Amino acid sequence: GENVEQHPSTLSVQEGDSAVIKCTYSDSASNYFPWYKQELGKGSQLIIDIRSNVGEKKDQRIAVTLNKTAKHFSLHITETQPEDSAVYFCAASTPGSDKLIFGTGTRLQVFP
Amino acid sequence: EADIYQTPRYLVIGTGKKITLECSQTMGHDKMYWYQQDPGMELHLIHYSYGVNSTEKGDLSSESTVSRIRTEHFPLTLESARPSHTSQYLCASTAAGGPGELFFGEGSRLTVL
Repeated sequence: GENVEQHPSTLSVQEGDSAVIKCTYSDSASNYFPWYKQELGKGSQLIIDIRSNVGEKKDQRIAVTLNKTAKHFSLHITETQPEDSAVYFCAASTPGSDKLIFGTGTRLQVFP
Repeated sequence: EADIYQTPRYLVIGTGKKITLECSQTMGHDKMYWYQQDPGMELHLIHYSYGVNSTEKGDLSSESTVSRIRTEHFPLTLESARPSHTSQYLCASTAAGGPGELFFGEGSRLTVL
């Protein structure tokens, strides 16, 4: 079955710097890759997703890149702000499956 | 904002008690899921349902059980809670025709003494 690895497990950056979180997946058939943000006391929310027919997707300060050959995808947050501090999860899903396999999570801290 | 609700948010109970964690969504989603999140942050799928009267076990073995009698309701039950069941339980739902966005509840944090 699919296996998703996520690095780093913790990441500390200064406000205004960029943050990059990387994930690798094992099943080359996977075709959907979302990223979720989990804030303390709140439900996890989808922040961006990408499908396998696209190499990059941007939404304001957030971008996701996908390298299908290497089977990895990355989340890029530019101009980080303290409110970006949260736990971020990547996930992958294969065609015909409605289950998401999550990575192990990255705790991002943005210091003012 | 997601219309998926979990109760209770926090629960502290003694060993051997029966507990039910409630999850309700008002979006009409057919697919619902229960994840267990350990202190190390990992999310493990323990149960899922693709519609009324449909329930399946997830990738992580769990002593809990679920039921899906109504589309909007997906409760999780532990017949006899143990300290090893202490964890955060997250409920989620998505529209049919996936894969697509999962909408998560705020979670139920269970502590078994």
